[in-house]
Amino acid sequence: DGGITQSPKYLFRKEGQNVTLSCEQNLNHDAMYWYRQDPGQGLRLIYYSQIVNDFQKGDIAEGYSVSREKKESFPLTVTSAQKNPTAFYLCASSSRLAGGVNTGELFFGEGSRLTVL
Amino acid sequence: QKEVEQDPGPLSVPEGAIVSLNCTYSNSAFQYFMWYRQYSRKGPELLMYTYSSGNKEDGRFTAQVDKSSKYISLFIRDSQPSDSATYLCADRVESNYQLIWGAGTKLIIKP
Repeated sequence: DGGITQSPKYLFRKEGQNVTLSCEQNLNHDAMYWYRQDPGQGLRLIYYSQIVNDFQKGDIAEGYSVSREKKESFPLTVTSAQKNPTAFYLCASSSRLAGGVNTGELFFGEGSRLTVL
Repeated sequence: QKEVEQDPGPLSVPEGAIVSLNCTYSNSAFQYFMWYRQYSRKGPELLMYTYSSGNKEDGRFTAQVDKSSKYISLFIRDSQPSDSATYLCADRVESNYQLIWGAGTKLIIKP
């Protein structure tokens, strides 16, 4: 089955530690995204990548880093510089824009919940 | 002012009722309007999208866009307990494929 797999589902981190969240997709999508979701707020874009070996900062990139070495994979590292990392993290992908109508539909993974102790 | 606003709820209605979920936006350049459904502890999934103004129907769901008042609605007919979820509206301009999200409305359908 095609889809997006995020791991781990739950992660606990001590203050001062870096953690890496995994995101793998087998949808053959070019674009991948990382969002953060907090209670009472809309999804906020952390980083996105339209193509391998290229990525751009979203609205809240400070304290995060990403890489895009393979089309299928877009891992997110939450660094110790992120002041309030406890949140629900969502990875998504979408097909590359082409001619014709494109809804920009995002396909999401099931999320990773990070808690800082 | 947030670009996309939703009442967080929760909105609680009995099974079989017609549900109306609403969203307002401030950017008049928005062209695409989407509704995503998110079950607890899961990722969102696209429910419906509309382009520009008007209505779009898909089974029990109807999406309605009124660009003159910057108001978006999602109607659910014959609501079921399985419709209990958080409904997120998301908008974007045509030239920029980044979505701007509302915070979501939590819907509870009581059996």
